[in-house]
Amino acid sequence: AQSVTQLDSHVSVSEGTPVLLRCNYSSSYSPSLFWYVQHPNKGLQLLLKYTSAATLVKGINGFEAEFKKSETSFHLTKPSAHMSDAAEYFCVVSVGVRAAGNKLTFGGGTRVLVKP
Amino acid sequence: DGGITQSPKYLFRKEGQNVTLSCEQNLNHDAMYWYRQDPGQGLRLIYYSQIVNDFQKGDIAEGYSVSREKKESFPLTVTSAQKNPTAFYLCASSTPGLFWGYTFGSGTRLTVV
Repeated sequence: AQSVTQLDSHVSVSEGTPVLLRCNYSSSYSPSLFWYVQHPNKGLQLLLKYTSAATLVKGINGFEAEFKKSETSFHLTKPSAHMSDAAEYFCVVSVGVRAAGNKLTFGGGTRVLVKP
Repeated sequence: DGGITQSPKYLFRKEGQNVTLSCEQNLNHDAMYWYRQDPGQGLRLIYYSQIVNDFQKGDIAEGYSVSREKKESFPLTVTSAQKNPTAFYLCASSTPGLFWGYTFGSGTRLTVV
């Protein structure tokens, strides 16, 4: 079984300062990992994904994440927050058991507030 | 443009009524999924379908039903047996495989009145 823990339910940053969203995962197999963003009353948009290639993954809108197997972590960062980054972010793990389909397991989400 | 369309955006249900949420995709994806999202919580899987005419229960299937008669469509019915249906419902699709994430619709907010 796999699981995902997002260590902060809320993060507050000032515009122009760095953003760090923490995610730890548990998986019996080599996982694929994703970060999604959700703006209010909207669907989820894929920010980036890790699929066993480079451990540092670059995504859209200046976000990146680093896969650290020894720490079972996949933290999301951005050097400089923008007001438009205010949203909820989900860390997601997928473990490939093809017969069971590509089911994703979601973390509980981190809500980001950006102060002017 | 390819994508997933969910309708309606807002839906109100009276106690004891069944309601059906629509989900249509033109991405030619094989797999489709329904998730429920409650405030402050992550997404929980209701049902998923990997191919036409086949679907599987997710983690919280009680009080819900689905059908998959066409590849493009995966409607969700919230029955009167679902005791707490007020939530945000998200539909998603994907091509099965390890390395693919999901494409999500914009959601339907269901409220019991």
